[in-house]
Amino acid sequence: GAVVSQHPSRVICKSGTSVKIECRSLDFQATTMFWYRQFPKQSLMLMATSNEGSKATYEQGVEKDKFLINHASLTLSTLTVTSAHPEDSSFYICSARDNGGVREQFFGPGTRLTVL
Amino acid sequence: SQQGEEDPQALSIQEGENATMNCSYKTSINNLQWYRQNSGRGLVHLILIRSNEREKHSGRLRVTLDTSKKSSSLLITASRAADTASYFCATHGNKLVFGAGTILRVKS
Repeated sequence: GAVVSQHPSRVICKSGTSVKIECRSLDFQATTMFWYRQFPKQSLMLMATSNEGSKATYEQGVEKDKFLINHASLTLSTLTVTSAHPEDSSFYICSARDNGGVREQFFGPGTRLTVL
Repeated sequence: SQQGEEDPQALSIQEGENATMNCSYKTSINNLQWYRQNSGRGLVHLILIRSNEREKHSGRLRVTLDTSKKSSSLLITASRAADTASYFCATHGNKLVFGAGTILRVKS
């Protein structure tokens, strides 16, 4: 099946710093990618929909200036958590939708962010 | 919110028993999907059922969908310790929205 990678898998940073997470579709093109956030023992919450070549669409309550999304190519989307604070510590998961006929959504392995 | 609700929130069974998890949702959908997540890991896609389907099987998994009740169930037969994980339903309208999940523990 199609593979989506995320980098880094884990990151620990100091409060106030910015962290960039990459999401790549390795063997398919993805016009649309999605970013989810998951707190411990909770479900995945959709943060934003990332569209190649255009601005991301953010879900209600998600600060677009806090969570910067760039989808510069058909295989790469990045999420930057700006001025991170301890409450931003979470598991961030991306997914990519295959542009092909199936239009299935494939998930990355997630990035564990810990803000000290 | 389109987010679904799942019950039970947690389920503990003995190896060999069947496990049933239910999911309810609020809006119309194109399909409904079930995923598994091992602790601290990414999602594994289990099965997709389209809105015009009522039942689907895949190995030890059986999924039902009742669009009139806006509900779905996932049955895992002859459970194994390796089935221990969180299970999420996700409904697909124009985007994928996840339910709250069921934490399944299979004791050996």
